[in-house]
Parts: sequence; C-alpha cells; structure tokens
Amino acid sequence: RKEVEQDPGPFNVPEGATVAFNCTYSNSASQSFFWYRQDCRKEPKLLMSVYSSGNEDGRFTAQLNRASQYISLLIRDSKLSDSATYLCVVLKGSQGNLIFGKGTKLSVKP
Amino acid sequence: EPEVTQTPSHQVTQMGQEVILRCVPISNHLYFYWYRQILGQKVEFLVSFYNNEISEKSEIFDDQFSVERPDGSNFTLKIRSTKLEDSAMYFCASSGKDNLYEQYFGPGTRLTVT
Repeated sequence: RKEVEQDPGPFNVPEGATVAFNCTYSNSASQSFFWYRQDCRKEPKLLMSVYSSGNEDGRFTAQLNRASQYISLLIRDSKLSDSATYLCVVLKGSQGNLIFGKGTKLSVKP
Repeated sequence: EPEVTQTPSHQVTQMGQEVILRCVPISNHLYFYWYRQILGQKVEFLVSFYNNEISEKSEIFDDQFSVERPDGSNFTLKIRSTKLEDSAMYFCASSGKDNLYEQYFGPGTRLTVT
C-alpha cells in the first residue's frame, strides 16, 4: 500500500460547485496531516492543517478519520482560481519529513 | 508576507559537474528542508536540518548530496557529481518553532542535467 494515496482526477467542475477530495494513508502512527495546493510548475503552498476535530477555513473544510486512516478536503462554491492540484500530505516521524501524495487535479470551468 | 527565496530559478549543468542550489529561508524559522519533484511525479523529501546539523535524510540523499548553512541566512544543497536522474525541481522549505510542521516552500530551482 502506498504511504499516501489520492485519486489523481482530474475533477472538472463548474464554478460554484462543491467538490470533495479524499486521501488515505498507510501509517497508523502518523500524527500530523495537511492539504497543500500546487499550481502548474510552482511550489506547493500550504492550504491548511487537518485536525482531529475537523477544521474549516472559509470555503474549505478538512476532516480526518483516524480509524479509517482517511483525510478529506471539501471545497464549497468553487472559483476559477481554485483550479490547481491538491496534495494530501502526512508527516512521517518527528523531524519534519513530509510524505506527499501524487495529488488530485481540479479544473473549475466558467 | 515573508517568503522563502531560491536561486537560481533554473540551472543547466553537464553530467558529472557539481551544483550548488541556494535558499534563503524565512528569517525567524529554525527548521530547514530540501525536497525534489521529478517532472510528473510527487514531491519527495530529501533532508531536514536543524541547529546546524542534519536531523533526518531520505534514501535519495546519498553521499553525492550535502547541505550547509554557511551564514545566518543561506541554506544550500550541493550535488557533487550530477547524474541525468538528478534532473528535477528542487524545493527548499522552512518552518518555525511555533508550528514546527507547517512548512513553507520556496519557488524552486529547476535543475537540468545534460
């Protein structure tokens, strides 16, 4: 099983749609989780950390299910500017080694 | 907003040559990292650095790689004898003591080995 697994997409959605991305991770001892976004040929940018209780930042909601080793990201009212690849990221160990998924590509159309 | 910077943005080198990639982390950050991303593939961890020493490294980070913090602001990655398969985007990242694991990435250096 891959360390971090994501549906590669692409997800093609109209503006205003709600879209959800899922991710699974293999190491049950993992403690910290993140969503990053990456635009084409650019650096990953931190979108949000994912907390056990779930967390929301504007139109973005992240959820963590430790029992199922599953992380999700929900984007509401999607904008054209949300078009990017969304990377599920899990911390390995305690020295900052981030394990990235391959990403899910989102394309928001007018 | 403070940001991580990297130079050069693109480096072309011949196989067997040494390259040094440079990074200036966010000024009050204490933890520094290098990652790489081969075109079309996922981002991969190379090394983490804290308190002037390597705290963790991956299998990719073999004897050909080294890191250094030569002064109070720069953080460098050196590849001693480049191979074709070293061609990738190299990202530097840093994080602060308030939130150790939230890493902020620089724009990357695209390394092309010919």
